[in-house]
Amino acid sequence: GAVVSQHPSRVICKSGTSVKIECRSLDFQATTMFWYRQFPKQSLMLMATSNEGSKATYEQGVEKDKFLINHASLTLSTLTVTSAHPEDSSFYICSARVVGLAGGREQFFGPGTRLTVL
Amino acid sequence: DAKTTQPPSMDCAEGRAANLPCNHSTISGNEYVYWYRQIHSQGPQYIIHGLKNNETNEMASLIITEDRKSSTLILPHATLRDTAVYYCIVRVGPGVGSARQLTFGSGTQLTVLP
Repeated sequence: GAVVSQHPSRVICKSGTSVKIECRSLDFQATTMFWYRQFPKQSLMLMATSNEGSKATYEQGVEKDKFLINHASLTLSTLTVTSAHPEDSSFYICSARVVGLAGGREQFFGPGTRLTVL
Repeated sequence: DAKTTQPPSMDCAEGRAANLPCNHSTISGNEYVYWYRQIHSQGPQYIIHGLKNNETNEMASLIITEDRKSSTLILPHATLRDTAVYYCIVRVGPGVGSARQLTFGSGTQLTVLP
């Protein structure tokens, strides 16, 4: 149980286009979803936190108008990279949080989406 | 959340135990120690967590010192598939702190050698 999926797993796009990444909790309802970004040979950096039905909270230095997050339901959050540029090329990972799960393990990560902007 | 310090890399022979250390000298009384790992180009995978008692599950054992200022993750019989970056994270426990995210440090690159 507690599987998180991401789609697409890999995307290549031209500079200036927008890309949407979906994050779904497949067998549970997520109260909160997190979006991380990871550049090569670096650790995961939190971009934003989103709660269903409310606006996302962005970390300092992350442009909210560039990285649009929509969390319309308890099982789906989307990240749209608008007007993507080569410097946005990265590995984007979402995680979903569920409260009250036995064993205390709360966050479940998706497999990640590799974005390459040409 | 308390800061953690891990060695940047370690090697381990296949079939032997891998012992990954983590220092967290500023840990607070209500903070847990979590371990995740990330295999190349995949999302992080939960391994284990604990507060003060040693913990064991099907993946690993977690040994926390009595003063809680450090811990060791033990993979009892490392395989090639255990090659990954291992992250030690300290944060408040389950259900506490609302929507608190996990803060990842630089982790330890464990390479299991054949």
